Amino acid sequence: QKEVEQDPGPLSVPEGAIVSLNCTYSNSAFQYFMWYRQYSRKGPELLMYTYSSGNKEDGRFTAQVDKSSKYISLFIRDSQPSDSATYLCAMSVRGSNYKLTFGKGTLLTVNP
Amino acid sequence: EADIYQTPRYLVIGTGKKITLECSQTMGHDKMYWYQQDPGMELHLIHYSYGVNSTEKGDLSSESTVSRIRTEHFPLTLESARPSHTSQYLCASSSGANVLTFGAGSRLTVL
Repeated sequence: QKEVEQDPGPLSVPEGAIVSLNCTYSNSAFQYFMWYRQYSRKGPELLMYTYSSGNKEDGRFTAQVDKSSKYISLFIRDSQPSDSATYLCAMSVRGSNYKLTFGKGTLLTVNP
Repeated sequence: EADIYQTPRYLVIGTGKKITLECSQTMGHDKMYWYQQDPGMELHLIHYSYGVNSTEKGDLSSESTVSRIRTEHFPLTLESARPSHTSQYLCASSSGANVLTFGAGSRLTVL
């Protein structure tokens, strides 16, 4: 079983839709949870960062962590064509010196 | 504006050639990383460094080697490239708190 599972999609939605992206994980030691966005032919860029369980909101983006279910989500409200990218979940263990374990990424296309 | 630079962005070479992928960062970060990314697959850590003269192998076995002689520079070398080395190589750096800054990547094709 992979440590981090992420549905690769692809996911196609109309502009303005609410998008839900999810990852599950098996390692209960993960404490830091991140979402990276990767545009085509670019490197990943950090979008959201959360520690332990709870919600975090930043503009149109909300990250949720449910440690009891080993499940994390990223919600995008009022999705825009510029949100079209691959979204990667990543997580790490405390004391791992920032070595991240990534999901495969979900390819999202927002159609105008 | 990217503060971590990778060159070359694209490289096509023949089998058996020696290649070096360059990575430089201007942020003064102590920690630097090399990840390998194949289409539809997870990013896998192949090398990391906590500072000058410190290098460690990552979770994914790789025939490449790295060096860290200067804080800002973390090159990756393949002594004899093979088609199995065809991949995208991503360099990243971090000052801490699990926040990695990635370069744009070097896409290597070995014929």
